[in-house]
Amino acid sequence: DAGITQSPRYKITETGRQVTLMCHQTWSHSYMFWYRQDLGHGLRLIYYSAAADITDKGEVPDGYVVSRSKTENFPLTLESATRSQTSVYFCASSELSGGAGEQFFGPGTRLTVL
Amino acid sequence: GENVEQHPSTLSVQEGDSAVIKCTYSDSASNYFPWYKQELGKRPQLIIDIRSNVGEKKDQRIAVTLNKTAKHFSLHITETQPEDSAVYFCAASSQAGTALIFGKGTTLSVSS
Repeated sequence: DAGITQSPRYKITETGRQVTLMCHQTWSHSYMFWYRQDLGHGLRLIYYSAAADITDKGEVPDGYVVSRSKTENFPLTLESATRSQTSVYFCASSELSGGAGEQFFGPGTRLTVL
Repeated sequence: GENVEQHPSTLSVQEGDSAVIKCTYSDSASNYFPWYKQELGKRPQLIIDIRSNVGEKKDQRIAVTLNKTAKHFSLHITETQPEDSAVYFCAASSQAGTALIFGKGTTLSVSS
């Protein structure tokens, strides 16, 4: 039962480097999401995707890029990492639109930017 | 902008007591209200949800109530147990219905 997976689980990088976080789901869910979780801020939506090749910005998209060439994958790229992007990143997927049904979260990636 | 406020930020109860977490939302178009539980170091998981055409929903020791007029909803946990200790997040659907807006979370501690 793979479900939804993220890689890497932990990543340490330096300011200015490019970093890609991977997300893969085996349910063929149409909708996928990227959140960041920071103490005192809860879960904030970075980007979401309604289907392959359809993506849209969430609440905090600046500094991030996404792509979705295949339904099952939704990578998140930090083009030039900054210390403020140190966070725990969660990917999620849903059979229904983001505001209509249960979202299933991946295990998270803890990213530290030095 | 769209906003969900959640209170309290921390809650400590004795085992067997009830716990109540309250959320208010800003967008009257919101029609889906889930609650997620996140144990330490784990991923958030849905524990209960409610839609705007329902005023209350119950699942064993957990219940959620919704007051659309006042734009607030609450999570009620009865007979709390130590394994209920976690961070709880409320959320409301965005105006466009494409995303969830999460509250900042409540850390619930149940002591035995």
